[in-house]
Amino acid sequence: GESVGLHLPTLSVQEGDNSIINCAYSNSASDYFIWYKQESGKGPQFIIDIRSNMDKRQGQRVTVLLNKTVKHLSLQIAATQPGDSAVYFCAEILNTGFQKLVFGTGTRLLVSP
Amino acid sequence: EAGVTQFPSHSVIEKGQTVTLRCDPISGHDNLYWYRRVMGKEIKFLLHFVKESKQDESGMPNNRFLAERTGGTYSTLKVQPAELEDSGVYFCASSLRLVGDTQYFGPGTRLTVL
Repeated sequence: GESVGLHLPTLSVQEGDNSIINCAYSNSASDYFIWYKQESGKGPQFIIDIRSNMDKRQGQRVTVLLNKTVKHLSLQIAATQPGDSAVYFCAEILNTGFQKLVFGTGTRLLVSP
Repeated sequence: EAGVTQFPSHSVIEKGQTVTLRCDPISGHDNLYWYRRVMGKEIKFLLHFVKESKQDESGMPNNRFLAERTGGTYSTLKVQPAELEDSGVYFCASSLRLVGDTQYFGPGTRLTVL
């Protein structure tokens, strides 16, 4: 897949466990944050987003936490399933009026049955 | 509803040749973005179209890259002449609204320059 040559931190969990994926973002002026999931051979797929005026947002089995003080974002996946195995990216959009996503390096999640 | 589509899925060319990548955004999405990931690096922004106009092209690496979106529908990204360091995966994304809207990604085009 396109991750060849990209040395990613890896999180290995057992099926049913909760997973926490962390991301340090770069710019205190960012006001919108998104988590994407990328499976092999596919493009990034939107999971959940959060705006800078919030510190927590929940979706189906996923929760995103935002700590603006330390510029930290986390993605929590409850009851992790083998189908959750993928590379997860956080992305930010700066409060500049331009909408370009600034991606982190990604974390590979491996879920064992 | 069809998602973002990209063509080709893979392209292998010789250094110095020209390659044209195509992106078809989700129907009705005025905003179209190009990103790429070269080996060992994170996904990086290239440029953003609003309809047929270039809103932001700050990520284009050099003048060997030319993006067009005539008519405001599909977009092409041409690399001429291709260099070895252009190898990577080129992603296209589209969104409906300009501000704070989800960008939906295509599957990418893997470009290999030999």
